Amino acid sequence: DSGVTQTPKHLITATGQRVTLRCSPRSGDLSVYWYQQSLDQGLQFLIQYYNGEERAKGNILERFSAQQFPDLHSELNLSSLELGDSALYFCASSVGPTGQPQHFGDGTRLSIL
Amino acid sequence: DQQVKQNSPSLSVQEGRISILNCDYTNSMFDYFLWYKKYPAEGPTFLISISSIKDKNEDGRFTVFLNKSAKHLSLHIVPSQPGDSAVYFCAASAKDSNYQLIWGAGTKLIIKP
Repeated sequence: DSGVTQTPKHLITATGQRVTLRCSPRSGDLSVYWYQQSLDQGLQFLIQYYNGEERAKGNILERFSAQQFPDLHSELNLSSLELGDSALYFCASSVGPTGQPQHFGDGTRLSIL
Repeated sequence: DQQVKQNSPSLSVQEGRISILNCDYTNSMFDYFLWYKKYPAEGPTFLISISSIKDKNEDGRFTVFLNKSAKHLSLHIVPSQPGDSAVYFCAASAKDSNYQLIWGAGTKLIIKP
């Protein structure tokens, strides 16, 4: 158990819809990272928050947004969903802004029909 | 542009023998490398890391070797055990890109009895 909690585990929705994925980091970790893993691909970094502030952005689409709340949990919002957004979405956390290693949740599997 | 490459999608090894997983990178600015292990339906789990100032790091049955001139690293598992069957990801980071992790596509290791 990594201590990182992601909900929901599975999400099935239709094109054009909007969903919110939730992540609670390990106790004491201030950084939260979001990743997307499409079929048979490596993890693609989307965005990082550190102590409530956006710290780094990767290949995150404009249709996607995230935030980190005062209690340090984070949400990833995906809107105007397309078939290609079907993927595993992982959240990870670390102690500091550049802390390694990152500890991962078990992911949310998003399926767009 | 794949900066981190794991050219073997899968590898099959006899139990008790050595497993060698390989990873190549193209960005000479990478200065920290990590290996993660992933079981189905779980998030990646940190295994072992190495800084670019070293060429070897050991942790129990796991050893990571770094060859900077060849831009190549490898993970050795000795002896291989059935529980080692998983997907192994190589990841790299650089100080000048805020230590964001760049991931390989993974190698599926199968340990045969």
